[in-house]
Amino acid sequence: GQQLNQSPQSMFIQEGEDVSMNCTSSSIFNTWLWYKQEPGEGPVLLIALYKAGELTSNGRLTAQFGITRKDSFLNISASIPSDVGIYFCAGPPSSGNTGKLIFGQGTTLQVKP
Amino acid sequence: DAGVIQSPRHEVTEMGQEVTLRCKPISGHDYLFWYRQTMMRGLELLIYFNNNVPIDDSGMPEDRFSAKMPNASFSTLKIQPSEPRDSAVYFCASSPQVSYGYTFGSGTRLTVV
Repeated sequence: GQQLNQSPQSMFIQEGEDVSMNCTSSSIFNTWLWYKQEPGEGPVLLIALYKAGELTSNGRLTAQFGITRKDSFLNISASIPSDVGIYFCAGPPSSGNTGKLIFGQGTTLQVKP
Repeated sequence: DAGVIQSPRHEVTEMGQEVTLRCKPISGHDYLFWYRQTMMRGLELLIYFNNNVPIDDSGMPEDRFSAKMPNASFSTLKIQPSEPRDSAVYFCASSPQVSYGYTFGSGTRLTVV
């Protein structure tokens, strides 16, 4: 089945640094979503991308839908301690408009104050 | 809006016992999803419902797992009998029709000893 591969698997950075992570697939996705999960909570939707080439920002977060439709990246500028968490990319499988999502394995971000 | 409400937040049970997890989706959301999260396997979709009807239960591990959605405001995931390998965080999520912005609950952390 379709899979989403995220890299890096984990990151440990200094507060104030910029962060970049990406998500790739061997097959096309028509929608890309980025979620953040904080410890002890469920994932929360950060950004949704619906069009190839689309670049969308949400505060210090910026995400892009790759032109090939097989990848997406998420950037976080000027990281702060509350950015700590697991970041997931997700997308609906190409099998149809089912409402179902496939999730990547996540990128764990740790920020050192 | 109170969001997706799951109960209990934590459950510790002995192997062989029946476990019932509960979920109240956001009012008006037509889709309800049950996910399981473990370190080894990440987020796994177990089953999802559309308008209270189970659509895809291919992720349910085995016959010990069952899920119901008797009405639009309530769903249960039952494990009988429970086994130690069922220990995980179980999430419920809901979304409006044909919108992929899931809202997740805070999860139920299940420990089977």
